[in-house]
Amino acid sequence: DAGVIQSPRHEVTEMGQEVTLRCKLISGHNSLFWYRQTMMRGLELLIYFNNNVPIDDSGMPEDRFSAKMPNASFSTLKIQPSEPRDSAVYFCASSLGTSGGQSTDTQYFGPGTRLTVL
Amino acid sequence: LAKTTQPISMDSYEGQEVNITCSHNNIATNDYITWYQQFPSQGPRFIIQGYKTKVTNEVASLFIPADRKSSTLSLPRVSLSDTAVYYCLVSERAHYNQGGKLIFGQGTELSVKP
Repeated sequence: DAGVIQSPRHEVTEMGQEVTLRCKLISGHNSLFWYRQTMMRGLELLIYFNNNVPIDDSGMPEDRFSAKMPNASFSTLKIQPSEPRDSAVYFCASSLGTSGGQSTDTQYFGPGTRLTVL
Repeated sequence: LAKTTQPISMDSYEGQEVNITCSHNNIATNDYITWYQQFPSQGPRFIIQGYKTKVTNEVASLFIPADRKSSTLSLPRVSLSDTAVYYCLVSERAHYNQGGKLIFGQGTELSVKP
């Protein structure tokens, strides 16, 4: 298995532009997590899906951020409009998530997308 | 959720055993202890998980005393490639929508020197 796949690996954009980050889960996994990592705030959980349904989005910063799972193996995180403070590394992770998924399930992280908003 | 405290950084030399201790004084009965490793420019990777006593796998050992208020990750004979950030996490074994969450702290930056 190729593991969790994220694209693009690097994204540089200008303030106000729309940014879409993509993630492909490990085959057979039912849970999907989006994280953001910065030096100041560390690794923060943004949103969590189980069986394509958003379960907890309390970490999503504001309405400019949205995440979807159009199918069981794919997810997008969209920022519109983007701002310089959104600059960070965004990680996607997946886990088996059987029986609704639990916090102790092993999470498999992708390589991340480094976003720079100028 | 139990908060964790771990050293910000540690230095070691190749071939040495490294022990990273994490304090979690307010750990609850249903909480598990999990360690992740993150190399530069990569996502975190699961190392080991335990509830009590000792757990060992091909990568590391996890020692948890009876009171569970701390835990120690032990890496035997480290090499340069073990240079990474190590996160100690304490989480309730529960569904995310029932309050169980995996929260990453700042981690311990381990630097292994030749």
